[in-house]
Amino acid sequence: EAGVVQSPRYKIIEKKQPVAFWCNPISGHNTLYWYRQNLGQGPELLIRYENEEAVDDSQLPKDRFSAERLKGVDSTLKIQPAELGDSAVYLCASSLEPQAGGAYEQYFGPGTRLTVT
Amino acid sequence: AQSVTQLDSHVSVSEGTPVLLRCNYSSSYSPSLFWYVQHPNKGLQLLLKYTSAATLVKGINGFEAEFKKSETSFHLTKPSAHMSDAAEYFCVVGGGVNTNAGKSTFGDGTTLTVKP
Repeated sequence: EAGVVQSPRYKIIEKKQPVAFWCNPISGHNTLYWYRQNLGQGPELLIRYENEEAVDDSQLPKDRFSAERLKGVDSTLKIQPAELGDSAVYLCASSLEPQAGGAYEQYFGPGTRLTVT
Repeated sequence: AQSVTQLDSHVSVSEGTPVLLRCNYSSSYSPSLFWYVQHPNKGLQLLLKYTSAATLVKGINGFEAEFKKSETSFHLTKPSAHMSDAAEYFCVVGGGVNTNAGKSTFGDGTTLTVKP
């Protein structure tokens, strides 16, 4: 079974430029997550989708970040314009829909390492 | 509200000796708890999970963790460290019954170093 696929793996851009990340979740996983991981820290949730619906985007900086999950499968995360502080690893994860007991496990992609210069 | 604290940012052990990575959590409900491992330049991998069943949870690669509600802890242990265990470990608190089950909070991680 293929895992979570992300592209690109690495991206270097100048500040004020736009950038986009793409994620293909595991087949059958309704829930998709985008995280940002700064150096030396744990991942922080940016947005969570259940199918096409963004059910938690409270931590997404909406002035410059946007995301979409058309057709409830692939997802794209965009930053426009990028700032120096956006340098981080952007992780995508997917899971089955949370169970009634609250148990779920997330499967992570390898991440995209973004460097803004 | 929920939060998780990993009590040690770095742990160093010798190969063949026990491993203990400490995690305390805070949650308004009975949570789900997880440990993930991240090897350099690789994705996060689930080690084990607690979901209100047995309090002692066994995971992959010989790791296990015990849920202690009275101490709000979920420490990760392994009887004998292997060189391949060197990695970053994350404790995660997630949703529980009748909650926003999809929401999860990661700790800041513990770097495990294994000396020969």
